[in-house]
Amino acid sequence: AQKVTQAQTEISVVEKEDVTLDCVYETRDTTYYLFWYKQPPSGELVFLIRRNSFDEQNEISGRYSWNFQKSTSSFNFTITASQVVDSAVYFCALVLGGSYIPTFGRGTSLIVHP
Amino acid sequence: KAGVTQTPRYLIKTRGQQVTLSCSPISGHRSVSWYQQTPGQGLQFLFEYFSETQRNKGNFPGRFSGRQFSNSRSEMNVSTLELGDSALYLCASSPGTGGARTEAFFGQGTRLTVV
Repeated sequence: AQKVTQAQTEISVVEKEDVTLDCVYETRDTTYYLFWYKQPPSGELVFLIRRNSFDEQNEISGRYSWNFQKSTSSFNFTITASQVVDSAVYFCALVLGGSYIPTFGRGTSLIVHP
Repeated sequence: KAGVTQTPRYLIKTRGQQVTLSCSPISGHRSVSWYQQTPGQGLQFLFEYFSETQRNKGNFPGRFSGRQFSNSRSEMNVSTLELGDSALYLCASSPGTGGARTEAFFGQGTRLTVV
């Protein structure tokens, strides 16, 4: 059975610090999809990125970057020069290739202080 | 383009009652998924509908049910409410046929409190 672990329950940083959110996944499937979602206090999850298991290329989008490493089954998310607006709960999720059912991690609450 | 709309936003029900939650997906999206979010269990998948058919179901009792209409709007129903059903219920829609394998657009959720 698949599993997603976000070991960091809560991270607190001061504005402009860099912060990395960890995500470790478990699956025996070779085809799968990994996601990061952001949940601000308003409640809706906001899609950030999707990666399939055959694409290990890292990605950068503005202040956000993702490091996908199959060798360590990790898909970590880094925010550079954090801002107060980055404060939210961040979820990592895994969907197997033969499934439409996502498995979410427990989420990491990021608090960015001004 | 309007986002995913869930109604009502807040609901208080008594144990034993039933409740119906509504979700209007983004126009053109045929896949609608429902999730339950609680502090204890986190985010859990309830079910997914695609073109009016339930395509997938999570590990929830039969008291949880849903349906999708021809305009892709979806409803979920919980019968015989229990205190443990208190949660944020989130709806998400996805473009194409990939469901949760693709980018999902979430509504703001319905906060259900069972007393």
